[in-house]
Amino acid sequence: EPEVTQTPSHQVTQMGQEVILRCVPISNHLYFYWYRQILGQKVEFLVSFYNNEISEKSEIFDDQFSVERPDGSNFTLKIRSTKLEDSAMYFCASSAVVSRTDTQYFGPGTRLTVL
Amino acid sequence: KQEVTQIPAALSVPEGENLVLNCSFTDSAIYNLQWFRQDPGKGLTSLLLIQSSQREQTSGRLNASLDKSSGRSTLYIAASQPGDSATYLCAVRQGAQKLVFGQGTRLTINP
Repeated sequence: EPEVTQTPSHQVTQMGQEVILRCVPISNHLYFYWYRQILGQKVEFLVSFYNNEISEKSEIFDDQFSVERPDGSNFTLKIRSTKLEDSAMYFCASSAVVSRTDTQYFGPGTRLTVL
Repeated sequence: KQEVTQIPAALSVPEGENLVLNCSFTDSAIYNLQWFRQDPGKGLTSLLLIQSSQREQTSGRLNASLDKSSGRSTLYIAASQPGDSATYLCAVRQGAQKLVFGQGTRLTINP
């Protein structure tokens, strides 16, 4: 069964460094998402992406964050200058369409630790 | 602003029991509602999706109901097994794309 994959599974970085989290969505999906989950807290929406553009973003997704689909398979989240509070599990998701019946399929996550 | 709440936060039951997990949301203008399972340190596995026009959805031992007007959903698990132990999350589709999640119910099934 097709699945969303994410690399790396765990990333440790120093505060102020740039990180890129990578995702390979399900191959025929058109809509891509990033969510994050700070330890012990709810899963929070960050951004959605369609047709090479951001279609929706939350207030969390400020100028430090950017997303890109550099080729036909990868979808990346970049954090330019990491802060301690960026430590979280980051989930990528994809869906085939946007409708009342579509399901968002989630990857296994990347645990980001900022020291 | 949509708020999703799940009760209880944690639940421990003996194997074989039927159980109900609850989810409530404040804004009834939703596209759909999804129930997910999350194992420790792992990603989210979609269990069931209920469209806003539907009342319930079933998959194996799982049955999810939706009462949109009252802002409630329940996940019923029949004949629970130790392998059902996980955190269960509900999420509502708010607006075009984003999911708004509850904080989850941590379920433990005791052999």
